[in-house]
Amino acid sequence: DTAVSQTPKYLVTQMGNDKSIKCEQNLGHDTMYWYKQDSKKFLKIMFSYNNKELIINETVPNRFSPKSPDKAHLNLHINSLELGDSAVYFCASSHPNLASGGALETQYFGPGTRLLVL
Amino acid sequence: AQSVTQLDSQVPVFEEAPVELRCNYSSSVSVYLFWYVQYPNQGLQLLLKYLSGSTLVKGINGFEAEFNKSQTSFHLRKPSVHISDTAEYFCAVRLANAGGTSYGKLTFGQGTILTVHP
Repeated sequence: DTAVSQTPKYLVTQMGNDKSIKCEQNLGHDTMYWYKQDSKKFLKIMFSYNNKELIINETVPNRFSPKSPDKAHLNLHINSLELGDSAVYFCASSHPNLASGGALETQYFGPGTRLLVL
Repeated sequence: AQSVTQLDSQVPVFEEAPVELRCNYSSSVSVYLFWYVQYPNQGLQLLLKYLSGSTLVKGINGFEAEFNKSQTSFHLRKPSVHISDTAEYFCAVRLANAGGTSYGKLTFGQGTILTVHP
C-alpha cells in the first residue's frame, strides 16, 4: 500500500507543452505539499494545501497551478513548459498540528516525478 | 530567512566504519531540525528530528544526531554503517511555532550522498 503516490514517475516533453502531475495520499492527512528538486539537488517547497485551501505559495511562476479536488489529492499543472522546469517534483503530505506551526508533524514524501523538458 | 548548509556533497566510507554527515544552519529565530534519507528512486523518509529537550536525538536505522546551538550544527552520525545505508541524506530546518504562510515549510540543504563500500 503506497502512502503517497505520484503519476507519472517519468515525464519527457517538449518546451511549450502543458502537463500535469498527480499526487494522491491514502494516509488521511489534511495537508499536502509540492517540492521541486533541481539539478543541483536543492529541494524547495513550492506550495502547500491544508484541507483543500492554499497555505504556502512560494515565489513560483504562475505557469504552475496546483489544484486540490479533495483532501487526498493535490495535482500540479504546468503551462508552457520551459527548459528550466526540468527537475524532480515531490509531493508530500502530513497531518497538521496547528499548535506547533507544523513542526510536530512528519511529512511523508512520494517517490517523485522526474520531468525532463526538451 | 533560514538556510541550511551540508558541508559535504559526497561521503564515501567502508562498511562497518563510523560516519558523520555535517549540517549547519542559519536562522535569526528558533528552528526545528530534521534529517531525511532518500534511497535511489524513492521519496524522502524521515530519519530523526530535534524539537526540544535532549540535544542528542536517536532515529531509525541506528542513526543519531546532536543539536549544537552555539555552533548552529546538527550533524548526523552512525557508529557502524551498512551497505544498505547508501543513499542521499538531507538536513532540513523549520521555523519553530511558524504560522500563516510559513506553516509546515521545510528548508532543505543540498544533500549528502553517502556511499558505503564493502
